Amino acid sequence: SAVISQKPSRDICQRGTSLTIQCQVDSQVTMMFWYRQQPGQSLTLIATANQGSEATYESGFVIDKFPISRPNLTFSTLTVSNMSPEDSSIYLCSVEGGTGDYEQYFGPGTRLTVT
Amino acid sequence: ILNVEQSPQSLHVQEGDSTNFTCSFPSSNFYALHWYRWETAKSPEALFVMTLNGDEKKKGRISATLNTKEGYSYLYIKGSQPEDSATYLCAFPYAGTYKYIFGTGTRLKVLA
Repeated sequence: SAVISQKPSRDICQRGTSLTIQCQVDSQVTMMFWYRQQPGQSLTLIATANQGSEATYESGFVIDKFPISRPNLTFSTLTVSNMSPEDSSIYLCSVEGGTGDYEQYFGPGTRLTVT
Repeated sequence: ILNVEQSPQSLHVQEGDSTNFTCSFPSSNFYALHWYRWETAKSPEALFVMTLNGDEKKKGRISATLNTKEGYSYLYIKGSQPEDSATYLCAFPYAGTYKYIFGTGTRLKVLA
């Protein structure tokens, strides 16, 4: 299994500002994923980030709002840009498990509150 | 739009009670179903990967069953303990990819 850390663990931000969330993995992985859980909602996939290529965004998410970097096989960042209160969520990163059953390992999440 | 539903949304049980939750998912194009336990401020922890119709898996006091024909999975906890308090999530890999569709989760609170 992979051990994943995220920074920050939580933050309170003002609307109109941006926050960059870091995700660090203790082993090299090809695929990394970013999810969001808004209050009362399901975890929803934002994008898939593969090293050496542009992130692939899911419907409803755009690069201008959620730019992602993937500079190497152990690290990724997600930026939440021009934040509004609707961006208040838990943001999780995850990595492929490599088991053949599409298992994923998750970070502990970043709890973001936008005021 | 594919839908993965979990019920109940939340429940409180007394220590020692047994309980179960349901995850409903699309029965077509099934590849696997994952159960996770998510405690506050911690990483979601993988409990089970269910792949075959009729699968039954067990880990200590927790077990899960799978019915791919009708599109549901049950998670059972026998003799609940306060440390079982968490949100239990099921995740459905979409079309044989790593794109998970999650249910909203079942929030369990075990009262001592």
